[in-house]
Amino acid sequence: GAGVSQSPSNKVTEKGKDVELRCDPISGHTALYWYRQSLGQGLEFLIYFQGNSAPDKSGLPSDRFSAERTGGSVSTLTIQRTQQEDSAVYLCASSYRTLRTSGVPTYQETQYFGPGTRLLVL
Amino acid sequence: SQQGEEDPQALSIQEGENATMNCSYKTSINNLQWYRQNSGRGLVHLILIRSNEREKHSGRLRVTLDTSKKSSSLLITASRAADTASYFCATDDAVQGAQKLVFGQGTRLTINP
Repeated sequence: GAGVSQSPSNKVTEKGKDVELRCDPISGHTALYWYRQSLGQGLEFLIYFQGNSAPDKSGLPSDRFSAERTGGSVSTLTIQRTQQEDSAVYLCASSYRTLRTSGVPTYQETQYFGPGTRLLVL
Repeated sequence: SQQGEEDPQALSIQEGENATMNCSYKTSINNLQWYRQNSGRGLVHLILIRSNEREKHSGRLRVTLDTSKKSSSLLITASRAADTASYFCATDDAVQGAQKLVFGQGTRLTINP
């Protein structure tokens, strides 16, 4: 089946402009994650969505960053008033989680990553 | 802060040789995963090992986990030119119970023909 897809592949913007990055997770995956990979910073967690639960936003670097997930599927990461230090590859991942009828949670922790969006802020 | 730290940062070997990469982490974990990344783009999942497992194999890959030392190793046997990539270990956090992964800085592996 189709993997995680992201758009656009590349984005060049001017400092101060807003950008929106899109992620389409694997169909049926209830968990969705955003990460950022900056030169010299490695991969860092940004935000995590799981079903209808409140998202874990603990990794967002500033209030200029926000994300939403509509209908439990597609997610959009928005960066307002972009700065040069926002230049990075933004990676989205999804994973499948399920709850057994007995109430014992069962989940697959394997996260499947999309190809990423390379953002360059001039 | 980065939980996982890979060692070495870069490794260059001849095709056919074995490549070993190590990873250390700081907190208690539920599982540890290894990923490969080509050309700075998407990550490809290689293998997941749970905290109650000590060794796992997948094709030419062998992963070990030592929770007492908070370390893991990835062994690629009979390396090929196509194995040239960056390799990352990633861990969750058993205490916080979060699904977010914390990545190390990665090992850049180069296989010379």
